[in-house]
Amino acid sequence: DAKTTQPTSMDCAEGRAANLPCNHSTISGNEYVYWYRQIHSQGPQYIIHGLKNNETNEMASLIITEDRKSSTLILPHATLRDTAVYYCIVSGGSNYKLTFGKGTLLTVNP
Amino acid sequence: NAGVMQNPRHLVRRRGQEARLRCSPVKGHSHVYWYRQLPEEGLKFMVYLQKENIIDESGMPKERFSAEFPKEGPSILRIQQVVRGDSAAYFCASSPNLGLAGPTDTQYFGPGTRLTVL
Repeated sequence: DAKTTQPTSMDCAEGRAANLPCNHSTISGNEYVYWYRQIHSQGPQYIIHGLKNNETNEMASLIITEDRKSSTLILPHATLRDTAVYYCIVSGGSNYKLTFGKGTLLTVNP
Repeated sequence: NAGVMQNPRHLVRRRGQEARLRCSPVKGHSHVYWYRQLPEEGLKFMVYLQKENIIDESGMPKERFSAEFPKEGPSILRIQQVVRGDSAAYFCASSPNLGLAGPTDTQYFGPGTRLTVL
């Protein structure tokens, strides 16, 4: 399975954009980049996923570099409720086992 | 649509008792996955089931743990003779399809069952 590397923690001011990076240099051609988040004590919440094109939905944007070795999750206007651990996960093809690493603890400050 | 539902949300058992955790997938989803999250750790895959079939139980402890997803009703994760080390949050996820030749379908998670073994 492709491994991912994320910073342990990040801070962001409320109302500003939060940019969460992820390195996945061993990603293979048929693997997608998924982002989930886990707000304290809750189940992981799906945010977005992509293969090679940039993606946007009502929650976030996902920017994937052309070589697909890294990506950035963007929360355009962070709120206090976005404080959570964000997980970048590489999965795809016949690999259905999501591997949750340590993730990034994003703290949104007032 | 209702999301993945799990019950109970909290379960307390004494050592040696049995724990039964239930998961109702999103309506129309035929694939169920169970994950376990030990304190201060990330989620770990346990088992993947389709209706009436266990597809992959490579993450399940070999003893005391079993899972099923019957034709009717919720998926059940059963832990027999619980020990303190079984205390964890157990999450169920579901997805609509598994495209073996293509991308993995997105898994949607339930709120979890927090098992405490006294």
